[in-house]
Amino acid sequence: DTGVSQDPRHKITKRGQNVTFRCDPISEHNRLYWYRQTLGQGPEFLTYFQNEAQLEKSRLLSDRFSAERPKGSFSTLEIQRTEQGDSAMYLCASSSALVSYEQYFGPGTRLTVT
Amino acid sequence: AQKVTQAQTEISVVEKEDVTLDCVYETRDTTYYLFWYKQPPSGELVFLIRRNSFDEQNEISGRYSWNFQKSTSSFNFTITASQVVDSAVYFCALEGGSEKLVFGKGTKLTVNP
Repeated sequence: DTGVSQDPRHKITKRGQNVTFRCDPISEHNRLYWYRQTLGQGPEFLTYFQNEAQLEKSRLLSDRFSAERPKGSFSTLEIQRTEQGDSAMYLCASSSALVSYEQYFGPGTRLTVT
Repeated sequence: AQKVTQAQTEISVVEKEDVTLDCVYETRDTTYYLFWYKQPPSGELVFLIRRNSFDEQNEISGRYSWNFQKSTSSFNFTITASQVVDSAVYFCALEGGSEKLVFGKGTKLTVNP
């Protein structure tokens, strides 16, 4: 049994470039969440999916951000025209009714925008 | 609006001391869930406990215990006989009517040998 996995674990990019992160949830978990965590802060909700449907998006998710979960399994989070303020840890979590919707987190992708 | 406050930014103790991490929350929801997560230096958030708003019984799991008091909107976490491996950042979180978790800013616990 594997937990939530995220790829890459670290990403360094130059300002203005596009980046894409991937999250593979625990199998059979139908809900998938994205959070962002900056240094010294708690994670902040970005968006979540139930199966392939994106059900809620935070105001933090500007139009440079887009998330997809095309087949209800893995998800991608893309940031276009990255800015230095996008530097953060991007965390993915998954859950299902089988675990009373408790959210299990992946190891995160640390993004550094130079 | 939902809010979680962890007033203690950093705590430092010596091994074997007991330590309590405070968490105060705000919500208008009548049904909600409270959580504690541990984030060790490796960065991965580790789930510790989930309580629903209708269950105010205190819970003990090994050296860990949790005190939920609705009257004061608090959900405090105590580690008994702390160990160096307990060093981490601990987050309290709230899930109300929406499906998202609202986290506090975390308390960094350092347990010195």
